[in-house]
Amino acid sequence: GEDVEQSLFLSVREGDSSVINCTYTDSSSTYLYWYKQEPGAGLQLLTYIFSNMDMKQDQRLTVLLNKKDKHLSLRIADTQTGDSAIYFCAVANQAGTALIFGKGTTLSVSS
Amino acid sequence: DVKVTQSSRYLVKRTGEKVFLECVQDMDHENMFWYRQDPGLGLRLIYFSYDVKMKEKGDIPEGYSVSREKKERFSLILESASTSQTSMYLCASSPLEGDTQYFGPGTRLTVL
Repeated sequence: GEDVEQSLFLSVREGDSSVINCTYTDSSSTYLYWYKQEPGAGLQLLTYIFSNMDMKQDQRLTVLLNKKDKHLSLRIADTQTGDSAIYFCAVANQAGTALIFGKGTTLSVSS
Repeated sequence: DVKVTQSSRYLVKRTGEKVFLECVQDMDHENMFWYRQDPGLGLRLIYFSYDVKMKEKGDIPEGYSVSREKKERFSLILESASTSQTSMYLCASSPLEGDTQYFGPGTRLTVL
């Protein structure tokens, strides 16, 4: 069945780069998404990449997409303590009716 | 900006009570979704709706029902709340199927 996998935890030091990885099985996604969830809050759309692109850069965020390997990654440059949150990868299901979310990666940034 | 609001941030109910969670979006989106979020399990889709009065079961619909009488409002109903339904409930909307979803702030429900 359709599935999205992410590692559950990542710990980095302030100022370092963070890389959060995601793999998916099948998707009809036109776009692939990264959402951010801060403690006690809902999910906020962070960035997305069009499925025919390999890379998208948006200030400190870089999204890489390898469609052949079905691998999506989010790189945060110069990670700050304010980046501490849960990050979710999401892709559309095969039917294109809904998004499938990974379980989320908890990013912990220490000063 | 898309705005999705949920009726309560925190809710405490007793076992057996009927519980209503309300969600309203102001962007005329066709699709609305209800998820629950539990530690280690991520987001799980309970129900979604792609039109007024239409509903589709998600991955874990048991113990829940939904109502969509108006396009902007999607309600999640727990007919007889149980302690296993203690969770964070998130509502989302999207303009098209499989498209970007916009989330509300969530309702943390505790069933005692």
